[in-house]
Amino acid sequence: EAGVAQSPRYKIIEKRQSVAFWCNPISGHATLYWYQQILGQGPKLLIQFQNNGVVDDSQLPKDRFSAERLKGVDSTLKIQPAKLEDSAVYLCASSLKGESHGYTFGSGTRLTVV
Amino acid sequence: AQSVTQPDIHITVSEGASLELRCNYSYGATPYLFWYVQSPGQGLQLLLKYFSGDTLVQGIKGFEAEFKRSQSSFNLRKPSVHWSDAAEYFCAVGAQGAQKLVFGQGTRLTINP
Repeated sequence: EAGVAQSPRYKIIEKRQSVAFWCNPISGHATLYWYQQILGQGPKLLIQFQNNGVVDDSQLPKDRFSAERLKGVDSTLKIQPAKLEDSAVYLCASSLKGESHGYTFGSGTRLTVV
Repeated sequence: AQSVTQPDIHITVSEGASLELRCNYSYGATPYLFWYVQSPGQGLQLLLKYFSGDTLVQGIKGFEAEFKRSQSSFNLRKPSVHWSDAAEYFCAVGAQGAQKLVFGQGTRLTINP
């Protein structure tokens, strides 16, 4: 079974620039999550999709972050404009039934904003 | 709302020694509890999970954890660590019927040869 794929692995941008991350979940997994992991902290949920609908985006900074999951498969997370404090690892995870015990995480995208 | 505390930011043990990583959670009902491991540059790998039943849970790589409701704890243990166990360890809690996980801040494990 292929895992959760994320790209790019690393990205360096200047503040105020925009950036996008891509995630391809495990085939058949209906639920997709984006987590933000700041250095020295545990991951924090940004947004959760069930198929192509948003279930929870309460911690997504909507003035600069956006995410979509077209056709209920791949997902893109965008930041525009980026701030220095957005430097973090962005982790994508997926699960079959949307239950918390069935997560598989991708390797993440490490973003550095300079 | 649920929360997780990992009191130890960094732990160093010698190879072959025993290990215990502490985790305390806050949640009003019976929680779902997890331990994940993260090697540098990698995603999170599930070590073990607890939902109900036997409070001593066995996981991969020789790890185990014990759920103690009276202490709101879910400590991770391993009888003898290997150099390859050096990594960051995260405890997480999920609520029944809910889907998101809340993570602790992590404990970095260093192994001395």
